[in-house]
Formats: sequence, structure tokens, C-alpha cells
Amino acid sequence: AQTVTQSQPEMSVQEAETVTLSCTYDTSENNYYLFWYKQPPSRQMILVIRQEAYKQQNATENRFSVNFQKAAKSFSLKISDSQLGDTAMYFCATSSTRVVGLIWGAGTKLIIKP
Amino acid sequence: ETGVTQTPRHLVMGMTNKKSLKCEQHLGHNAMYWYKQSAKKPLELMFVYNFKEQTENNSVPSRFSPECPNSSHLFLHLHTLQPEDSALYLCASSQRPPERGVPPSTDTQYFGPGTRLTVL
Repeated sequence: AQTVTQSQPEMSVQEAETVTLSCTYDTSENNYYLFWYKQPPSRQMILVIRQEAYKQQNATENRFSVNFQKAAKSFSLKISDSQLGDTAMYFCATSSTRVVGLIWGAGTKLIIKP
Repeated sequence: ETGVTQTPRHLVMGMTNKKSLKCEQHLGHNAMYWYKQSAKKPLELMFVYNFKEQTENNSVPSRFSPECPNSSHLFLHLHTLQPEDSALYLCASSQRPPERGVPPSTDTQYFGPGTRLTVL
């Protein structure tokens, strides 16, 4: 079965620091998408960033960027100049033609300390 | 606010009760989803609806019964639940429904705030 692994259950950094959340996945497909979702304590999950596997260029969205290593099946999220509002659960997910919907990781709890 | 609302936000019920969760999306999307979120586990997709038709049921026990009267509303009817059913139940919507065997799209899922369910 295809899986997504987030090896860091919890992380904490000081405000303004840069933090990287790791994600590895297992797939035999060539055409897929990767996503990072954020779930703040209020619990509404929102999309942070997505990457198309056939694009070599790493996606960026303001302070959020990814390091996509297709051969290594790695998709890490870097948050620069972290802010208190970045405190949340972060979920990595991938699409697959073999299942309906996304395949999700178990999440990383990120705490930004003042 | 992402355009997907869920009520109630919190629900405590006994094992013999019958209750319903409600989800409404104001985004004009065609697909709606129910997920179960348990602590330290990946999201579990329960049901998918496409234009009111159920397209996926991930081996969910019959004590969970979904209903989709139109593409904007989704219900999850609960009866004779077990304590292990306690979790956060998330509703989501997307413009295009996912299909097995079809190359994936960039379609983003928009989530509601969830209902925290506790079964006593």
C-alpha cells in the first residue's frame, strides 16, 4: 500500500527561525501531486502548498517552500521567518490513481515559541 | 473562513443515541467528503460524493450512514456508535471529484472546522 511518512511527531522553534518539516512517501507512479496542509488549533485544515511531480522546480508560496526530491521520494516543507500563527499540525499528502482521494501522513505538530 | 461549515462543532453521545452531523459548502463545488481524524493517525477517508452520488465507501461500518441531498449539503447520520468512534470528523469539498485510475488533478480540497465527537 502507498504510504506517507512524517517522521517528526512534534517540533518547536523560536519565532523568526526557519524550520523544515520532513515527509517521505512511497509510490510507483510517475504522475502525482504532493500537498502540505496546515491545521491550526481552530482545526480548519487549509492548503499550504502543492507540487506537481513532473515539475522539477520546487514550489514556493511566500515564506513556505518545498524541497522536492523525486528520486528519494522526499517532500519537505521549509518555513522561513516563522511566526506565531504558524503554530499548527502540518500534514503531508500525495495523490494516487490507485485510491480515491489523497494518501495522508500522520502529521507533525509545529509549535512556534515567542 | 474556507466556505465549508460544519455543525455541531462538538457532540457527546451515548452508544444508543442517534445523531447527525451536517456539512454545507458555499463554494459551488461538485464533490464532498467525510473524513475521520484520530490523534496521531493519518486522515481516514470515509465517503466521497460526486454530484450527490456516492462514489466511495471505504469499508465504513454501517453505523455511519451518509446522505447527500444536493451538491451543497452532506450529512453523516450516526447510530449505535462505539467509544472507538470518538474522533474529529471533517467534511471537505472540491471542484472535481477524485476518480480511481484517472490521472490526478491539482484540485484542492477545502475543509470545514470539524465536529469533535465523543461517544460515551
